[in-house]
Amino acid sequence: NAGVTQTPKFRILKIGQSMTLQCTQDMNHNYMYWYRQDPGMGLKLIYYSVGAGITDKGEVPNGYNVSRSTTEDFPLRLELAAPSQTSVYFCASSKQGAVNTEAFFGQGTRLTVV
Amino acid sequence: DQQVKQNSPSLSVQEGRISILNCDYTNSMFDYFLWYKKYPAEGPTFLISISSIKDKNEDGRFTVFLNKSAKHLSLHIVPSQPGDSAVYFCASNNNDMRFGAGTRLTVKP
Repeated sequence: NAGVTQTPKFRILKIGQSMTLQCTQDMNHNYMYWYRQDPGMGLKLIYYSVGAGITDKGEVPNGYNVSRSTTEDFPLRLELAAPSQTSVYFCASSKQGAVNTEAFFGQGTRLTVV
Repeated sequence: DQQVKQNSPSLSVQEGRISILNCDYTNSMFDYFLWYKKYPAEGPTFLISISSIKDKNEDGRFTVFLNKSAKHLSLHIVPSQPGDSAVYFCASNNNDMRFGAGTRLTVKP
């Protein structure tokens, strides 16, 4: 089982560049999430989706965009990268509505904006 | 608005002793609370959860207690082992799953 797969694992961007962080899950989960974790800090929710075609803002959505055209994929788009977006990004998925609603996380994408 | 709070950034305990990690929340409507464990350079992994209709859930060395009147939950690890050294996050299970800031647990041999 692949679970939640994030690509790339590492990336260095220049200020003003854009990129898409990919996330895919093979567990048929309806809920998907994007978090960022700054050094020494907790996980901050960027965006989440409760199903294909539905997305909502989390705690820190500014500077990011998402789409959910399929159940499996939930890409995160950074436009005009800024040094403040240097962070580790985690994608997660869960089967809400089931008895066990734990979320499964990817391994993370370490992004540096210089 | 921080819906889930972990006010202790770190905790150090001796191997074999009990570790108690704490978490407070603000929203009485949460259905589930979950604890996750995170090692460096890895994604968080699920540890244990508790439904809001219960006050205790136990899984081996891990027990979570929920005090709804105080809006407080705690994770007990007993006995603590060096391999338990990690960052522990509590989370609320709403549509927008929110995490606390985490507590770094160090278990000394």
